[in-house]
Amino acid sequence: EDKVVQSPLSLVVHEGDTVTLNCSYEVTNFRSLLWYKQEKKAPTFLFMLTSSGIEKKSGRLSSILDKKELFSILNITATQTGDSAVYLCAVSYRGGTSYGKLTFGQGTILTVHP
Amino acid sequence: EAGVAQSPRYKIIEKRQSVAFWCNPISGHATLYWYQQILGQGPKLLIQFQNNGVVDDSQLPKDRFSAERLKGVDSTLKIQPAKLEDSAVYLCASSERLYEQYFGPGTRLTVT
Repeated sequence: EDKVVQSPLSLVVHEGDTVTLNCSYEVTNFRSLLWYKQEKKAPTFLFMLTSSGIEKKSGRLSSILDKKELFSILNITATQTGDSAVYLCAVSYRGGTSYGKLTFGQGTILTVHP
Repeated sequence: EAGVAQSPRYKIIEKRQSVAFWCNPISGHATLYWYQQILGQGPKLLIQFQNNGVVDDSQLPKDRFSAERLKGVDSTLKIQPAKLEDSAVYLCASSERLYEQYFGPGTRLTVT
């Protein structure tokens, strides 16, 4: 059975701290790994990673994929209270009947205190 | 560009009642998804449509859940009869390219 596991489940930090969120996966026909941010509403897209070792960056957020060890990390530097959210990791599939499907992890709840 | 629209935003029903949710995807998006997100968990795919046709409904509890996509645009998801464990947020998403899904605001269902 396909699995996507995120850790830690929750994290509490203070503004200015750097955090690292982890996502490991065991899936067949892996194509890409995606990160989403979910506040009190719909998940919003952050990154899609397809190739190992290539870091993607957007402002204070960055992410990298290791296809050999089957994991990804999401880094947030100089955290702000606005970064407080649930961060979701998902994997997509290469083909077959699962083409386009996303399987999500359970999410990491990040709380940033002033 | 308008986003994915969903209604209602909140719904409270008693167990064994019926409920329906509506989704209007982003214009031109051929693929539409319904997810169920139980509190404290990630979204779980219930059903995926490509235009009018169902691509994947392997995790849809077909004894009580049904979904349709009219004319390849709007979609409705129905639960009949509802159970307590159906309490969740129901998210609709659409995509033009298969791997970049845009989510609607969701419908929060409470079954009492």
